[in-house]
Formats: sequence, C-alpha cells, structure tokens
Amino acid sequence: GDSVTQMEGPVTLSEEAFLTINCTYTATGYPSLFWYVQYPGEGLQLLLKATKADDKGSNKGFEATYRKETTSFHLEKGSVQVSDSAVYFCALSKGTGGFKTIFGAGTRLFVKA
Amino acid sequence: SQTIHQWPATLVQPVGSPLSLECTVEGTSNPNLYWYRQAAGRGLQLLFYSVGIGQISSEVPQNLSASRPQDRQFILSSKKLLLSDSGFYLCAWRASSTEAFFGQGTRLTVV
Repeated sequence: GDSVTQMEGPVTLSEEAFLTINCTYTATGYPSLFWYVQYPGEGLQLLLKATKADDKGSNKGFEATYRKETTSFHLEKGSVQVSDSAVYFCALSKGTGGFKTIFGAGTRLFVKA
Repeated sequence: SQTIHQWPATLVQPVGSPLSLECTVEGTSNPNLYWYRQAAGRGLQLLFYSVGIGQISSEVPQNLSASRPQDRQFILSSKKLLLSDSGFYLCAWRASSTEAFFGQGTRLTVV
C-alpha cells in the first residue's frame, strides 16, 4: 500500500542553521504531497503542498520539491528560528479511495537560541 | 470560509467508561471526514473516514466506532474504553481535490 517515510528525530539545530528533513514516499499513480506542522498541543496546519512532479511548494521560508524520479519531497529552510520548533509531518494523498491522507511518522525539530 | 470544530479539548475517562467525541464542519457541504489518532511520540494513524452520511470506512480493527448522522457531523465513540485508547484524536475534513484541514484535537487520557 501507499506509505510515507521520513527521517527520525528529534532534530536539534541552532538558530539560523540550515534545515533539511528527508521524506520519501511509495504510491501508485500520481499523489499530491504535503508538509504539515504541529505546534505543541495543537492540531496540524498545512505548511506547503505540491500536486505534480517538479512542483515546488513554499511557505514561511520553507520549500519542498516534488521529485518523482526519486519519490522524494524533502523539506528545507535556509535559516531556522526558535519559533520553528514543532513536529513536521510529510504526507501524501490521492484522488481515489476516500481521498485519504497518509502521513509519515513525524519529525520533531528543536531550535536553540 | 470553512471551519472545523472538535470537542472536548481534553478528556480524562476511567477504563470501561463510554466515549463520545464530536466534530463538526462549517462552510462546506458533503465533505470527506476523517478521524486520526496520534499516540504519544508517534505519527498519525487513520482510524475512520466517511465520504457521506451514514458511510463509514474503518482502517484498523479496534475498540472504537464512528458515525456520521449528518452531513457535517462526525462522531467517534466507544462503549468501553481501554488504557490503550489514550492518545490525541484529530478530526479532519477535505473536499475532493484539496488538502485536509484539521481540528485542534482532543487529548484523551484513560485512567
């Protein structure tokens, strides 16, 4: 079945460091890909998305490019802030089977001042 | 605009007691609705989804059930809670070709 694999955390960085969180997926067809962020005690918020190969999603300084050849959707940010500390989830969804969204296990990010 | 409401925010229940969590969506019609569970330190597990009133699909066998009595209402229930039912429960909705939108979650502790 469809699945998402993302790097295990936690990831600890100093403020202004470069961030990469790896994400790869397994799916038939042409899924849409997403990154969600979860702040402590809250639900999930969409961070960015890409709906087809070579699309780049971006938001709040975060970017991810849909790479069909490597089945990847890695999340990057050039300079992290303390306020970026959260759990990040990579996810995929297809237009069939109830439009379910399948999530990776999540990666916790700690940013130190 | 669309909004999703989920309540209660926190809940402490004894083992063997019943459970009812409610989720409602405003500003859209015929949404797909989902219940997820997030166990401590773990990812999101899809429990149930619904594509219409009275239509429920279960993703994993468990002690829980779901119902959709109205178009924009999705209820998660249990007749007798287990310790292992503790977790963070998230309701979500989506239209056919967009991303999923999540409620604020319910933290359930079974004691």
